Amino acid sequence: DGGITQSPKYLFRKEGQNVTLSCEQNLNHDAMYWYRQDPGQGLRLIYYSQIVNDFQKGDIAEGYSVSREKKESFPLTVTSAQKNPTAFYLCASSAIQGAGNQPQHFGDGTRLSIL
Amino acid sequence: GEDVEQSLFLSVREGDSSVINCTYTDSSSTYLYWYKQEPGAGLQLLTYIFSNMDMKQDQRLTVLLNKKDKHLSLRIADTQTGDSAIYFCAEKGANSGAGSYQLTFGKGTKLSVIP
Repeated sequence: DGGITQSPKYLFRKEGQNVTLSCEQNLNHDAMYWYRQDPGQGLRLIYYSQIVNDFQKGDIAEGYSVSREKKESFPLTVTSAQKNPTAFYLCASSAIQGAGNQPQHFGDGTRLSIL
Repeated sequence: GEDVEQSLFLSVREGDSSVINCTYTDSSSTYLYWYKQEPGAGLQLLTYIFSNMDMKQDQRLTVLLNKKDKHLSLRIADTQTGDSAIYFCAEKGANSGAGSYQLTFGKGTKLSVIP
């Protein structure tokens, strides 16, 4: 089955520690996205990428970093500079060719908490 | 920038119809989407409508689009307890973000179904 896999489902971070959230897709999508979800705030875009080795900041990129070395993979690192990292993180992917119907497909999310 | 607005909460009795409303500002919207998020999970694509349509029906789901008023609604007939979730409206337009492939999401409407 094609889909998006996020791991781990739950993650705990100590103060001053960097942690990396994994996102893998086998949908052959060019674009991948990371969102942060806090209660009552909807989805906020952290980073997105439309091609390997290229990515752009979203609305709340400070304290986060990403890489896109392979089309299938778009890991997100939450650095120690992110002072309020506790949230639910969602990865998504989509096709980008043309102007047609290109919904985003989501993984099951990773919940990050501070120890 | 572009904006998508939804009311935050809706409560209905089991067996009744639910209507979730959404307004958007981007007049260049091409596709509009409804996603469902169950607790602790990612977003699941429910349905979509192309901007040159005014209605789309898919089993218990009916999507109505008033392009003049930039108003989108999702009607769920015979609402069941399993429909309890957060519902997100999203739009894709030529002016969405830095690329025409991005989606702009509302903050989500939490639907509670009373048995």
